[in-house]
Formats: sequence, C-alpha cells, structure tokens
Amino acid sequence: EADIYQTPRYLVIGTGKKITLECSQTMGHDKMYWYQQDPGMELHLIHYSYGVNSTEKGDLSSESTVSRIRTEHFPLTLESARPSHTSQYLCASSERTGQGNTIYFGEGSWLTVV
Amino acid sequence: AQSVTQLGSHVSVSEGALVLLRCNYSSSVPPYLFWYVQYPNQGLQLLLKYTTGATLVKGINGFEAEFKKSETSFHLTKPTAHMSDAAEYFCAVSPGGGSYIPTFGRGTSLIVHP
Repeated sequence: EADIYQTPRYLVIGTGKKITLECSQTMGHDKMYWYQQDPGMELHLIHYSYGVNSTEKGDLSSESTVSRIRTEHFPLTLESARPSHTSQYLCASSERTGQGNTIYFGEGSWLTVV
Repeated sequence: AQSVTQLGSHVSVSEGALVLLRCNYSSSVPPYLFWYVQYPNQGLQLLLKYTTGATLVKGINGFEAEFKKSETSFHLTKPTAHMSDAAEYFCAVSPGGGSYIPTFGRGTSLIVHP
C-alpha cells in the first residue's frame, strides 16, 4: 500500500477565493496525478507529473494549476474558484517501473464552491 | 492507444449471488490490467492487477479476474456477494512500462440487495 495524503478532505469556499489542495506521498514515487471526479461519475485526468519540475495537462481541460518542487509534494491550486469547480479531486502516485504502473490513490478532497 | 469499456453502468445482485462485472479493453501492446474499488466519499483502492504470468488473478475481499487475450476481456467476479461489496468498480488498462498512464473505464456501480 502506498501512503498518499490529501488535505483538506472537505472544503466549502466562496466564489472568487484562491484554494490550494495539498497532496503528499511518502513512497518516493516519481509520478503523480490529479483526477477530477463528480459524484458517481468517471475519472478525468487533469494534471500529471513525471518528476520534480515536470508538469503536464491531462485529458480534461482545467483552470487549476499544479507544481512539483519536491518529489513527495504535488499541490493543486485554483486562483479564483467558481461553482463549476465543485467536485471531488483525487491525487494519486505511481512508481516508474515496468510492473504495470500501478496507481495508488489518496482519499480525495471534496470541494464545494458557493 | 488504449481504451476500456465497462459494460453496464449499474449491476444489481442479491446478497449471496454471483458478482460479475465486465471489462473489455483495447491495447496496441500486451496490456497490464487493473480493477479498483471506490467506496462512497473515498479514493480508489486497488483490488487486483494482471501484469504477466497466470491469467487468473486473485485479489482482496474474495474477488478475482481472468485475463482472456482472445476476448480482450478482464471480467471481475466474486462467488458470493455481500452487502459490504456495494461500491463503484473501475477497470483500467496500461500498455505497460513506467512511462504510460493507465486508462480508466467509466465505472460500474454494484448494488447488493438483501
């Protein structure tokens, strides 16, 4: 099991506020990911990173930004939150090996923008 | 490119009955295959994975899946459903190697009736 931690788990904020969702993993994994998931719906990859100073946009366009200054830390930031950003955000990480690139997920951060 | 199709967005079974969740994939190279489970308000947890070797893979909580190359399938089964199995299940495929990002299916919601 990978140890991957997300904070906050639940957050309600007002429109226009800046928010950073924190994600840390203790497994030394090179790759990290952010997925967006509405309740009962599919996962959408919004950002990923292959390592320090590497960030890429995923399949779903997102107004959020990410950074990867340290291997273990991959925060996601919304500069100006809107109600359309209300969703669950899942952070994940995986090893750079040939064994199938197993992804391990955090518990998720539920964001509600009012 | 790879893709995953999960047949049936909802599957309903009675407690004690067989669980069968279907997953078909396409991949240009031999795939690595995964099943994840997601309980309400939580992240995804790895149930089992196929990388190489034995095509029948056993996972946690009594689940197993069989890789059938000729049918490009990786269906998930459990002989006896329990109420606690009610959750969302996601199938994922990766073409292998550490540089690929797995592709997830849209998910299947398993409903277990008493």
